Amino acid sequence: RKEVEQDPGPFNVPEGATVAFNCTYSNSASQSFFWYRQDCRKEPKLLMSVYSSGNEDGRFTAQLNRASQYISLLIRDSKLSDSATYLCVVNTYNQGGKLIFGQGTELSVKP
Amino acid sequence: GAVVSQHPSWVICKSGTSVKIECRSLDFQATTMFWYRQFPKQSLMLMATSNEGSKATYEQGVEKDKFLINHASLTLSTLTVTSAHPEDSSFYICSAMDRDKGNSPLHFGNGTRLTVT
Repeated sequence: RKEVEQDPGPFNVPEGATVAFNCTYSNSASQSFFWYRQDCRKEPKLLMSVYSSGNEDGRFTAQLNRASQYISLLIRDSKLSDSATYLCVVNTYNQGGKLIFGQGTELSVKP
Repeated sequence: GAVVSQHPSWVICKSGTSVKIECRSLDFQATTMFWYRQFPKQSLMLMATSNEGSKATYEQGVEKDKFLINHASLTLSTLTVTSAHPEDSSFYICSAMDRDKGNSPLHFGNGTRLTVT
């Protein structure tokens, strides 16, 4: 079983749609969680951290359920510029702080 | 904001040659840097953890004699792909942890696209 698993993509949605990405992680000792965005042939860029209480940043909402070891990202009113691959990332401190990446979910927003 | 500079951005080399990739933290000190590799349509896979002043820690399946890592200062880590072969063609990305900011998200370099012919 992979340490971090995400929905297989791609997701093809029209502009303005709401889209949700799911992610599960296997190591219960994981301490911090992030969503990164990666555009084609570029490095990943931090989209947002994920907190236990849930957090929102504009059109983006992240949720964490430690009991279920589940993370989600919701994008509302999607824009063409949201098209990218979204990476669920977990940091387990007992592994020296290294980041473990999910395989990514590709999002394509169409006009 | 924090910046990690990676050089070169792309490189084409012949099979059997060695390629060095540099990763620099420009405005912070990084005791720990990470090297990732990404094949097309796949996620980033951690290759090794580079600690300033000590030997790198390699992930299972990564040959330490082939992928030489040197972290000689708090702002520079290098990855050398020795005797490169076409199957080493990939996107290599480094990331750095800000020593003064504990476990905050990592900062990534812009990546190096290596093509071995």
